[in-house]
Amino acid sequence: DVKVTQSSRYLVKRTGEKVFLECVQDMDHENMFWYRQDPGLGLRLIYFSYDVKMKEKGDIPEGYSVSREKKERFSLILESASTNQTSMYLCASSLRGTSYNEQFFGPGTRLTVL
Amino acid sequence: GNSVTQMEGPVTLSEEAFLTINCTYTATGYPSLFWYVQYPGEGLQLLLKATKADDKGSNKGFEATYRKETTSFHLEKGSVQVSDSAVYFCALKVSQGAQKLVFGQGTRLTINP
Repeated sequence: DVKVTQSSRYLVKRTGEKVFLECVQDMDHENMFWYRQDPGLGLRLIYFSYDVKMKEKGDIPEGYSVSREKKERFSLILESASTNQTSMYLCASSLRGTSYNEQFFGPGTRLTVL
Repeated sequence: GNSVTQMEGPVTLSEEAFLTINCTYTATGYPSLFWYVQYPGEGLQLLLKATKADDKGSNKGFEATYRKETTSFHLEKGSVQVSDSAVYFCALKVSQGAQKLVFGQGTRLTINP
């Protein structure tokens, strides 16, 4: 089975802290994604990566950065956490290809910024 | 731009009731359409998909038909179970080469015994 794991299920941080969210997948997928999930807004894409050291901005990249040094790992970084970044963060991965390849999701990290 | 609109939730039904969750989309070209499901405490899972007009996706008793003329992809199930309680997301992929998905806002479904 494809497995996407996220480093924490729950995280509480203070305003201004630097926050790292880690995601690891074990199926050699080229593509990896970070979304945030908010009630009434669905999932919104923050960043995605289609290869090691490659990244592209999604729909809401402001306040976030990412790092992909190894194929299996994709990190989301909040440089200076703010209360409006309190949310559920979901990581996903998929194979690269011209036809659709299913995105596999991790269980999510619920981040609270105080 | 590309967008997906789902019916407002939450939706509460009794076991064995008929379910419809409406989904309409706006997109350029010919998108592929998907339904994802999120069970409590878990990540999203692909439920079903359709890649061209008039295709019907089906899985676990759920069905959805890609209707180009009405730009819709409504999710249906004839007889729901308590275990179907979850959040359902409609999504589209804008082109064959792209890997990005555009999601609707999600519909929370609760099934009472």
